[in-house]
Amino acid sequence: GAGVSQSPRYKVAKRGQDVALRCDPISGHVSLFWYQQALGQGPEFLTYFQNEAQLDKSGLPSDRFFAERPEGSVSTLKIQRTQQEDSAVYLCASSLFNTEAFFGQGTRLTVV
Amino acid sequence: DQQVKQNSPSLSVQEGRISILNCDYTNSMFDYFLWYKKYPAEGPTFLISISSIKDKNEDGRFTVFLNKSAKHLSLHIVPSQPGDSAVYFCAASGNYGQNFVFGPGTRLSVLP
Repeated sequence: GAGVSQSPRYKVAKRGQDVALRCDPISGHVSLFWYQQALGQGPEFLTYFQNEAQLDKSGLPSDRFFAERPEGSVSTLKIQRTQQEDSAVYLCASSLFNTEAFFGQGTRLTVV
Repeated sequence: DQQVKQNSPSLSVQEGRISILNCDYTNSMFDYFLWYKKYPAEGPTFLISISSIKDKNEDGRFTVFLNKSAKHLSLHIVPSQPGDSAVYFCAASGNYGQNFVFGPGTRLSVLP
């Protein structure tokens, strides 16, 4: 596709459930980012990949959060044992390399 | 401690007039700055960027000004149109495109 694609758009999880969020970046984009956006706030950085290498994961809030990009294209953000404070919009973005990043529409996660 | 600040949560401007959105940052290592626009239920859309070697960048109705000594940047929209009504995020990077840090956003309303 022409843009960054994220799935699912909406996810409701019961507390304690594991979830997996998928991101298809723009073809050929080297860099891939995951952000978390709480209501009324700006996106907060979670992690950054350059191709398949996870170069920065300093923003992951706990060891329940895990991201991978095994072949340097599609990425998955996994959250284990979800908690209510994990409820947010999770945004994925990609860029060619050290340029502006293009965002997907996000996945809205609600933990009940 | 917010590294990127947008002190005006909201701004209202008459159609045809100039909109000025402001952003301040605290980290002197930031060298690349961007503005994004966000509509409800969509991901942020890239608008314009500026590197620290410049003090102005223009693209159509959008101009970004950077004052490094004051650690301040602004986005000017001239003339403002009702379709510009959205939340605007300022973002900064210290590694030329890696790990963007976002401000909390300013909601712009352009009144017809």
